[in-house]
Amino acid sequence: QKEVEQNSGPLSVPEGAIASLNCTYSDRGSQSFFWYRQYSGKSPELIMSIYSNGDKEDGRFTAQLNKASQYVSLLIRDSQPSDSATYLCAVSRDNYGQNFVFGPGTRLSVLP
Amino acid sequence: GAVVSQHPSRVICKSGTSVKIECRSLDFQATTMFWYRQFPKQSLMLMATSNEGSKATYEQGVEKDKFLINHASLTLSTLTVTSAHPEDSSFYICSARGRGSSYNSPLHFGNGTRLTVT
Repeated sequence: QKEVEQNSGPLSVPEGAIASLNCTYSDRGSQSFFWYRQYSGKSPELIMSIYSNGDKEDGRFTAQLNKASQYVSLLIRDSQPSDSATYLCAVSRDNYGQNFVFGPGTRLSVLP
Repeated sequence: GAVVSQHPSRVICKSGTSVKIECRSLDFQATTMFWYRQFPKQSLMLMATSNEGSKATYEQGVEKDKFLINHASLTLSTLTVTSAHPEDSSFYICSARGRGSSYNSPLHFGNGTRLTVT
């Protein structure tokens, strides 16, 4: 079992719809969780972080964490073509932030 | 804040030559730097972790004699790909964390270096 799993996609949604990206992780000791967006040929940029169970909202983005189910998701409301990118789920597993594991990423395509 | 600069952004070299990639933290002291490699349509793969003033810790399967990492100061880490071969062609990305970072601190990435070995 891979440590961090994501559906590779591509996930296609129409413009204006809600895009739902999912991530599961295997290590129950994982401390914190991050979503990064990566455009083709570019390096990842941080979108959101979440540490506690529940929802965290920032603009059009909502991160959801369920530690019991070892599941974290990212919802993008009112999806725009500019949201088309690969979304990477990252998990920090230790107390010092030295141990980051990335998922394989989900390619999102927002259709105009 | 937390800007990481990586240079060069793109490099083409001949097989057998060496290439040095620089990663600088511009507005913070990077106590830890990470080097990743990313092949097309694949995720980031951690190559090594370097702490300032000490030897880098390499991930399993990464040749430390081929990928030389130096982290001599709190603002600069370098990755040297020695005797590069076409299979080393990839996107190399550095990231850094500052003093006092903990588990809930995100990674800050450089812009990446596209290496092509001909």
